[in-house]
Amino acid sequence: GENVEQHPSTLSVQEGDSAVIKCTYSDSASNYFPWYKQELGKRPQLIIDIRSNVGEKKDQRIAVTLNKTAKHFSLHITETQPEDSAVYFCAASKGGSYIPTFGRGTSLIVHP
Amino acid sequence: KAGVTQTPRYLIKTRGQQVTLSCSPISGHRSVSWYQQTPGQGLQFLFEYFSETQRNKGNFPGRFSGRQFSNSRSEMNVSTLELGDSALYLCASSPLEGGGSDTQYFGPGTRLTVL
Repeated sequence: GENVEQHPSTLSVQEGDSAVIKCTYSDSASNYFPWYKQELGKRPQLIIDIRSNVGEKKDQRIAVTLNKTAKHFSLHITETQPEDSAVYFCAASKGGSYIPTFGRGTSLIVHP
Repeated sequence: KAGVTQTPRYLIKTRGQQVTLSCSPISGHRSVSWYQQTPGQGLQFLFEYFSETQRNKGNFPGRFSGRQFSNSRSEMNVSTLELGDSALYLCASSPLEGGGSDTQYFGPGTRLTVL
């Protein structure tokens, strides 16, 4: 089955810095890659996703890049703010009836 | 539309007991998935139901079971509780065919503590 590795497990940055979280996947048939943000005590919420026919997608300060050849994708957050502090999960899926496989999560801490 | 709801939000049980958790998906969503979340283990997939049938299953023992009703509401049951079952149990619903290519919307979770 699919295996998703996520790094780093913890990331500490100063407000205004950029943050990058990387994930690798094993199944070359995976074609859908969502990212979820889970604030303390709250539910995971989708913040951005990318499909395999696209190499990059941006939404304001957040961007995701995908390298299908290397089977890795990354989340980029620019100009980080304290409210970006949360656990971020990546996932990979083959779509259809297949369930996404999640990474173990990255705890992002943004220091004011 | 109302979001995914889960009841109860908190539960305290003792070892050996059983527990039933409930999840109501977003209206119109037919796929409901269950996850176990523990510190350091991320989101562990339990099972997924679609149109009242279990369509996908994770690597959990048979003590973990579930079902889905005709209105797409889902329940999961854990029998003979163990200390290691203490976790946040999240359900997520997806529209239409659900599964991998549709966005999953998570509920607030049920925090289960086993003493």
